[in-house]
Amino acid sequence: EVQLLESGGNLVQPGGSLRLSCAASGFTFKTNAVNWVRQAPGKGLEWVSGITGSGGTTYYADSVKGRFTISRDNSKNTLYLQMNSLRAGDTAVYYCAKSRLVVVEAAALDFWGQGTLVTVSS
Amino acid sequence: QSVLTQPPSASGTPGQRVTISCSGSGSNIGSNTVNWYQHLPGTAPKLLIYNNNQRPSGVPDRFSGSKSGTSASLAISGLQSEDEADFYCAAWDDSLNGWVFGGGTKLTVL
Repeated sequence: EVQLLESGGNLVQPGGSLRLSCAASGFTFKTNAVNWVRQAPGKGLEWVSGITGSGGTTYYADSVKGRFTISRDNSKNTLYLQMNSLRAGDTAVYYCAKSRLVVVEAAALDFWGQGTLVTVSS
Repeated sequence: QSVLTQPPSASGTPGQRVTISCSGSGSNIGSNTVNWYQHLPGTAPKLLIYNNNQRPSGVPDRFSGSKSGTSASLAISGLQSEDEADFYCAAWDDSLNGWVFGGGTKLTVL
Protein backbone atom coordinates (compact mmCIF):
# COMPACT_ATOMS: atom_id res chain seq x y z
CA GLU A 1 0.00 0.00 0.00
CA VAL A 2 1.37 3.39 -1.01
CA GLN A 3 1.82 5.76 1.91
CA LEU A 4 3.06 9.34 1.99
CA LEU A 5 3.55 10.94 5.40
CA GLU A 6 4.34 14.64 5.58
CA SER A 7 5.93 16.31 8.59
CA GLY A 8 7.61 19.56 9.56
CA GLY A 9 4.69 21.95 9.41
CA ASN A 10 4.70 24.64 12.07
CA LEU A 11 4.04 28.26 12.96
CA VAL A 12 6.83 30.48 11.63
CA GLN A 13 7.35 34.24 11.48
CA PRO A 14 7.41 36.13 8.17
CA GLY A 15 10.90 35.96 6.69
CA GLY A 16 11.61 32.69 8.48
CA SER A 17 12.48 29.24 7.18
CA LEU A 18 11.04 25.76 7.48
CA ARG A 19 11.84 22.33 6.04
CA LEU A 20 9.08 19.89 5.21
CA SER A 21 9.64 16.15 4.82
CA CYS A 22 7.59 13.43 3.16
CA ALA A 23 8.34 9.81 4.02
CA ALA A 24 7.27 7.41 1.27
CA SER A 25 6.57 3.69 1.42
CA GLY A 26 4.77 1.00 -0.53
CA PHE A 27 6.45 1.65 -3.90
CA THR A 28 9.92 1.90 -5.42
CA PHE A 29 10.57 5.53 -4.56
CA LYS A 30 13.26 6.27 -7.16
CA THR A 31 11.01 5.21 -10.05
CA ASN A 32 8.50 8.01 -9.51
CA ALA A 33 8.60 11.78 -9.59
CA VAL A 34 7.13 13.49 -6.54
CA ASN A 35 5.57 16.89 -6.00
CA TRP A 36 4.43 19.38 -3.39
CA VAL A 37 0.93 20.85 -3.72
CA ARG A 38 -0.58 23.30 -1.24
CA GLN A 39 -4.01 24.54 -0.25
CA ALA A 40 -4.36 27.90 1.46
CA PRO A 41 -7.29 28.36 3.86
CA GLY A 42 -10.52 28.61 1.90
CA LYS A 43 -8.70 28.32 -1.43
CA GLY A 44 -8.12 25.65 -4.06
CA LEU A 45 -5.17 23.40 -4.79
CA GLU A 46 -1.94 25.03 -6.02
CA TRP A 47 1.03 23.07 -7.34
CA VAL A 48 4.27 24.21 -5.72
CA SER A 49 7.16 22.09 -6.99
CA GLY A 50 8.12 18.76 -8.53
CA ILE A 51 11.25 16.62 -8.85
CA THR A 52 12.06 13.72 -11.17
CA GLY A 53 12.74 10.20 -9.92
CA SER A 54 16.51 10.63 -10.09
CA GLY A 55 16.34 14.09 -8.55
CA GLY A 56 18.16 15.51 -11.56
CA THR A 57 15.43 17.93 -12.67
CA THR A 58 13.30 20.21 -10.56
CA TYR A 59 10.31 22.42 -11.32
CA TYR A 60 8.83 25.34 -9.39
CA ALA A 61 5.75 27.53 -9.48
CA ASP A 62 6.59 31.18 -10.11
CA SER A 63 5.16 32.05 -6.69
CA VAL A 64 7.93 30.14 -4.88
CA LYS A 65 10.82 30.22 -7.34
CA GLY A 66 14.01 31.44 -5.68
CA ARG A 67 12.62 30.91 -2.17
CA PHE A 68 11.78 27.18 -2.04
CA THR A 69 14.04 24.23 -2.85
CA ILE A 70 12.80 20.71 -3.50
CA SER A 71 15.08 17.72 -3.01
CA ARG A 72 14.90 13.99 -2.39
CA ASP A 73 17.00 11.27 -0.78
CA ASN A 74 16.26 8.03 -2.60
CA SER A 75 18.29 6.06 -0.04
CA LYS A 76 15.85 7.23 2.66
CA ASN A 77 12.68 7.25 0.51
CA THR A 78 12.13 10.84 1.57
CA LEU A 79 11.13 14.06 -0.19
CA TYR A 80 11.97 17.49 1.19
CA LEU A 81 10.90 21.08 0.70
CA GLN A 82 13.16 23.80 2.08
CA MET A 83 11.14 26.99 2.42
CA ASN A 84 12.96 30.29 2.95
CA SER A 85 11.80 33.92 3.10
CA LEU A 86 8.34 32.77 4.09
CA ARG A 87 5.38 35.11 3.61
CA ALA A 88 1.86 35.20 4.98
CA GLY A 89 0.67 34.05 1.56
CA ASP A 90 2.56 30.78 2.01
CA THR A 91 0.19 29.76 4.81
CA ALA A 92 -1.38 26.50 3.66
CA VAL A 93 -1.67 22.77 4.08
CA TYR A 94 1.21 21.27 2.10
CA TYR A 95 0.60 17.89 0.43
CA CYS A 96 3.17 15.48 -0.90
CA ALA A 97 1.96 13.80 -4.11
CA LYS A 98 3.45 10.94 -6.10
CA SER A 99 3.52 11.06 -9.91
CA ARG A 100 2.45 8.07 -12.01
CA LEU A 101 5.74 8.24 -13.89
CA VAL A 102 9.43 8.98 -13.30
CA VAL A 103 8.97 12.38 -14.95
CA VAL A 104 7.13 15.40 -13.56
CA GLU A 105 5.76 16.76 -16.83
CA ALA A 106 2.18 15.74 -17.51
CA ALA A 107 2.30 12.67 -15.21
CA ALA A 108 -0.84 12.58 -13.06
CA LEU A 109 -0.50 12.70 -9.28
CA ASP A 110 -1.89 9.32 -8.27
CA PHE A 111 -1.31 9.21 -4.51
CA TRP A 112 -1.33 12.02 -1.97
CA GLY A 113 -0.45 12.37 1.68
CA GLN A 114 -2.69 13.82 4.38
CA GLY A 115 -0.80 17.10 4.44
CA THR A 116 1.06 19.23 6.98
CA LEU A 117 0.03 22.73 8.03
CA VAL A 118 2.38 25.68 7.62
CA THR A 119 1.31 28.94 9.23
CA VAL A 120 3.29 32.11 8.56
CA SER A 121 2.36 34.79 11.06
CA SER A 122 3.92 37.15 13.58
CA GLN B 1 -7.33 33.63 -10.19
CA SER B 2 -6.80 30.04 -11.35
CA VAL B 3 -5.37 29.26 -14.78
CA LEU B 4 -8.11 26.69 -15.43
CA THR B 5 -11.73 27.80 -15.01
CA GLN B 6 -14.34 25.70 -13.25
CA PRO B 7 -17.79 26.61 -11.93
CA PRO B 8 -17.57 27.17 -8.16
CA SER B 9 -20.52 24.91 -7.42
CA ALA B 10 -22.68 22.12 -8.82
CA SER B 11 -25.54 20.12 -7.38
CA GLY B 12 -27.85 17.21 -8.07
CA THR B 13 -30.20 14.77 -6.43
CA PRO B 14 -29.37 11.11 -5.77
CA GLY B 15 -29.39 9.09 -8.98
CA GLN B 16 -28.98 12.14 -11.23
CA ARG B 17 -26.15 12.81 -13.66
CA VAL B 18 -24.06 15.95 -13.19
CA THR B 19 -21.23 17.39 -15.22
CA ILE B 20 -18.43 19.75 -14.20
CA SER B 21 -16.65 21.79 -16.84
CA CYS B 22 -13.02 22.92 -17.00
CA SER B 23 -11.78 25.53 -19.44
CA GLY B 24 -8.16 26.29 -20.26
CA SER B 25 -5.97 27.39 -23.14
CA GLY B 26 -3.67 26.10 -25.82
CA SER B 27 -0.66 25.86 -23.51
CA ASN B 28 -2.36 23.55 -21.02
CA ILE B 29 -5.53 21.62 -21.92
CA GLY B 30 -4.99 22.27 -25.62
CA SER B 31 -1.56 20.59 -25.50
CA ASN B 32 -1.76 18.06 -22.66
CA THR B 33 -4.10 15.61 -21.03
CA VAL B 34 -6.45 16.50 -18.18
CA ASN B 35 -6.71 14.92 -14.75
CA TRP B 36 -9.49 15.18 -12.20
CA TYR B 37 -9.18 15.00 -8.42
CA GLN B 38 -11.75 14.55 -5.68
CA HIS B 39 -11.03 16.21 -2.35
CA LEU B 40 -12.83 16.02 0.95
CA PRO B 41 -11.56 18.73 3.33
CA GLY B 42 -9.14 17.31 5.88
CA THR B 43 -8.30 14.27 3.77
CA ALA B 44 -5.83 13.39 1.04
CA PRO B 45 -6.97 14.38 -2.46
CA LYS B 46 -7.78 11.40 -4.68
CA LEU B 47 -7.03 10.92 -8.38
CA LEU B 48 -10.35 10.30 -10.12
CA ILE B 49 -9.55 10.53 -13.84
CA TYR B 50 -6.20 10.74 -15.63
CA ASN B 51 -5.22 11.17 -19.29
CA ASN B 52 -8.62 12.77 -20.03
CA ASN B 53 -10.74 9.66 -19.56
CA GLN B 54 -8.84 6.90 -17.74
CA ARG B 55 -9.98 5.67 -14.33
CA PRO B 56 -7.46 4.42 -11.78
CA SER B 57 -8.15 1.05 -10.25
CA GLY B 58 -10.96 1.27 -7.70
CA VAL B 59 -12.72 4.33 -9.15
CA PRO B 60 -16.33 3.44 -10.06
CA ASP B 61 -17.35 3.67 -13.72
CA ARG B 62 -19.98 6.23 -12.65
CA PHE B 63 -17.15 8.73 -13.08
CA SER B 64 -16.08 9.61 -16.63
CA GLY B 65 -14.01 12.30 -18.27
CA SER B 66 -13.75 13.85 -21.70
CA LYS B 67 -11.77 16.55 -23.46
CA SER B 68 -12.31 18.64 -26.58
CA GLY B 69 -9.95 21.37 -27.69
CA THR B 70 -9.16 23.56 -24.71
CA SER B 71 -12.00 22.32 -22.51
CA ALA B 72 -12.69 19.21 -20.50
CA SER B 73 -15.52 17.86 -18.41
CA LEU B 74 -16.16 15.38 -15.64
CA ALA B 75 -19.44 13.50 -15.56
CA ILE B 76 -20.84 11.70 -12.55
CA SER B 77 -23.82 9.44 -13.14
CA GLY B 78 -25.99 7.77 -10.53
CA LEU B 79 -25.13 10.49 -8.03
CA GLN B 80 -24.66 9.30 -4.45
CA SER B 81 -24.49 11.25 -1.19
CA GLU B 82 -20.91 10.05 -0.71
CA ASP B 83 -19.92 11.94 -3.88
CA GLU B 84 -20.19 15.27 -2.03
CA ALA B 85 -16.73 16.79 -2.27
CA ASP B 86 -14.61 19.37 -4.04
CA PHE B 87 -13.52 18.44 -7.57
CA TYR B 88 -10.47 19.87 -9.31
CA CYS B 89 -9.24 19.63 -12.89
CA ALA B 90 -5.52 19.89 -13.64
CA ALA B 91 -3.24 19.93 -16.65
CA TRP B 92 0.45 20.47 -17.35
CA ASP B 93 1.13 23.93 -18.73
CA ASP B 94 3.91 24.11 -21.31
CA SER B 95 4.34 27.89 -20.95
CA LEU B 96 4.53 27.88 -17.15
CA ASN B 97 6.40 24.55 -17.11
CA GLY B 98 4.28 23.36 -14.23
CA TRP B 99 0.93 21.96 -13.18
CA VAL B 100 -2.09 24.24 -13.21
CA PHE B 101 -5.34 23.54 -11.39
CA GLY B 102 -8.87 24.77 -11.70
CA GLY B 103 -10.32 26.71 -8.80
CA GLY B 104 -12.39 23.73 -7.73
CA THR B 105 -16.10 22.87 -7.89
CA LYS B 106 -18.01 22.09 -4.73
CA LEU B 107 -20.53 19.33 -5.44
CA THR B 108 -23.62 19.18 -3.27
CA VAL B 109 -25.96 16.18 -3.30
CA LEU B 110 -29.41 17.54 -2.43
